[in-house]
Amino acid sequence: QLQLQESGPGLVKPSETLSLTCTVSGGSISSSSYYWGWIRQPPGKGLEWIGSIYYSGSTYYNPSLKSRVTISVDTSKNQFSLKLSSVTAADTAVYYCARHYFTIRDTWFDPWGQGTLVTVSS
Amino acid sequence: QSVLTQPPSASGTPGQRVTISCSGSSSNIGSNTVNWYQQLPGTAPKLLIYSNNQRPSGVPDRFSGSKSGTSASLAISGLQSEDEADYYCAAWDDSLNGHVVFGGGTKLTVL
Repeated sequence: QLQLQESGPGLVKPSETLSLTCTVSGGSISSSSYYWGWIRQPPGKGLEWIGSIYYSGSTYYNPSLKSRVTISVDTSKNQFSLKLSSVTAADTAVYYCARHYFTIRDTWFDPWGQGTLVTVSS
Repeated sequence: QSVLTQPPSASGTPGQRVTISCSGSSSNIGSNTVNWYQQLPGTAPKLLIYSNNQRPSGVPDRFSGSKSGTSASLAISGLQSEDEADYYCAAWDDSLNGHVVFGGGTKLTVL
């Protein structure tokens, strides 16, 4: 069964770059019809999509975060990664990775990783 | 403020039927399918409904989804205490080169 696991620093200083990796196990990141996405949830708040990537490197980003986000994929390691630059306290959140089913008109996330809390603080 | 609008809270007693609404626009729900996620306290969201009304394997048929125009609904029948959770709707939005939008979430309380 497909599983995803986020990893990376739990504490990042303001103005620095947040970096997270999602490791996929139990399946190939090169599967067709599936993108791989990042979603975040500030403490006590709702879900916000950050962006998604296809194994070929094709990406979609949230317009509100696009200028600061880079998502990349490493098919040899079955991993994809998130970089968010110039972070502030507003970027403090639980960050989830998920498999993103994406076709014309139809999109959903399943399964999700357990999430990792990233706190932005000096 | 979320692109998709959900009521912040909903409640019901065990055995009741409750519905949660999700309102959008022509660029998201009006053009694309809706999915729903259940987030139990302290856990990651779980896909509950996809393609407007399809249930993934393992999701009880007490959960159902529907869509009409630019709005969608999640219905839970035979409410159980373990259904107490946050529920989120989501859809693809065709504006701004395309992006995923979520509702603000609805906290369901089982009284």
